[in-house]
Amino acid sequence: RKEVEQDPGPFNVPEGATVAFNCTYSNSASQSFFWYRQDCRKEPKLLMSVYSSGNEDGRFTAQLNRASQYISLLIRDSKLSDSATYLCVVTDTGNQFYFGTGTSLTVIP
Amino acid sequence: GAGVSQSPRYKVAKRGQDVALRCDPISGHVSLFWYQQALGQGPEFLTYFQNEAQLDKSGLPSDRFFAERPEGSVSTLKIQRTQQEDSAVYLCASSFRAGQGAGDTEAFFGQGTRLTVV
Repeated sequence: RKEVEQDPGPFNVPEGATVAFNCTYSNSASQSFFWYRQDCRKEPKLLMSVYSSGNEDGRFTAQLNRASQYISLLIRDSKLSDSATYLCVVTDTGNQFYFGTGTSLTVIP
Repeated sequence: GAGVSQSPRYKVAKRGQDVALRCDPISGHVSLFWYQQALGQGPEFLTYFQNEAQLDKSGLPSDRFFAERPEGSVSTLKIQRTQQEDSAVYLCASSFRAGQGAGDTEAFFGQGTRLTVV
C-alpha cells in the first residue's frame, strides 16, 4: 500500500468553479503535511502547509483530519492559472517526504 | 542562485551507458532527497541523506543505482548500465531541517534532470 493515496483525476472544471481534492495517508505517526503544485515539465513547488486547525490562503483552503488520516484542498473561484497537478505530501518522523501520485486539474474557459 | 540546482537538465544515454546526475542543494540544508518521476506519476522516493550520511536508500530500484554526498553538500546520483526503464525525470530536493521533530519544513526542488535512455 502506498504511503499517500490521491485520486489522479483528471478534474476538468469551468472558470469560477469550486473544486476539492482529497488525499489519505497510511502512517498515523506522520508529522507534517503539505500541498505542492507541479506545472507541466516543471519542478514541484510548495502551495501550502496543512495544519490540524485548517488554514486558508486566499482562494485556497487546506484541512487535515488526523483521526481519519485525511487531507483536503479546496480551491474557490478557479482561475485558468490554477491548471496544474496538485501533489499531496506527508513527512514521517525522520523527515522523509512521501508524495501522492498527484491530481491533475484543468480549468476551462 | 539561491535555489536547488541540478545538472545536466537533459541527458540522452545509450542503453548500457553509465550516467551521473548532479545536485547542488540550497546552502546550509541538512536533508537531501532524490526522487524519480515517470510521466504522469508523482515523484517516487529513491534515497535520503542527512548531511553526508545516507540514511535511507530503500527506494533505489536496483544495485545499478548509487548515490553519494561525500561532504554533506553536493550529491551525485549514478546509474550504471542504463536501461530504457530508467528513462524519467530525476528530481533532487533539499530541506533545512532533519530528523524527528523537524516539523513544518518544506522541501525545495531543483528543476530535475530528464534522462532518456535510447
